[in-house]
Amino acid sequence: GAVVSQHPSWVICKSGTSVKIECRSLDFQATTMFWYRQFPKQSLMLMATSNEGSKATYEQGVEKDKFLINHASLTLSTLTVTSAHPEDSSFYICSALSTGGQETQYFGPGTRLLVL
Amino acid sequence: QKEVEQNSGPLSVPEGAIASLNCTYSDRGSQSFFWYRQYSGKSPELIMFIYSNGDKEDGRFTAQLNKASQYVSLLIRDSQPSDSATYLCAVNRGDTDKLIFGTGTRLQVFP
Repeated sequence: GAVVSQHPSWVICKSGTSVKIECRSLDFQATTMFWYRQFPKQSLMLMATSNEGSKATYEQGVEKDKFLINHASLTLSTLTVTSAHPEDSSFYICSALSTGGQETQYFGPGTRLLVL
Repeated sequence: QKEVEQNSGPLSVPEGAIASLNCTYSDRGSQSFFWYRQYSGKSPELIMFIYSNGDKEDGRFTAQLNKASQYVSLLIRDSQPSDSATYLCAVNRGDTDKLIFGTGTRLQVFP
């Protein structure tokens, strides 16, 4: 399967700081990437769709000014959690859409965020 | 009604047995169906996808799709302890690439 990386794998920060998470598709180009959040014992919740060269589209209830997404190239999307608070502590996972053959989402390893 | 429903489990099967995981979905417009495996603390890993009614086999895994009944399942033959994980069913939303995930079924394979 296709390879997607995320960095950092985990981060601990103080309340009020901003955290940037990178998502890279390593062996294919992805015009579309997705950002998910997963709380303990819950399923993945789609936060936003990241489109290369255009604005991200956010799911209902997700604040676009708090979760800034930039998809500057065909292999890189970034999610910045601005002014993070303890309730933002979660497992953030990106996926990249592979369009070679059947369209399939491949997931990065995730970033665990803990806001103190 | 949830968009994608799965029994949370745990589903316990002995090693070597067949594990059967089920999923129902509500959007009749969905065309793509995926099974992901998620180990504790890790991100989901794609196991299989299916688009057409019927069965699709890949090694020990068989996905089954019945669009009329809005039902998709995953069979795991010769279950191994290493198969113990949470299995997530995902369905695309309408004609988009967005995936809606079920809450997952936790599978436990005991020796």
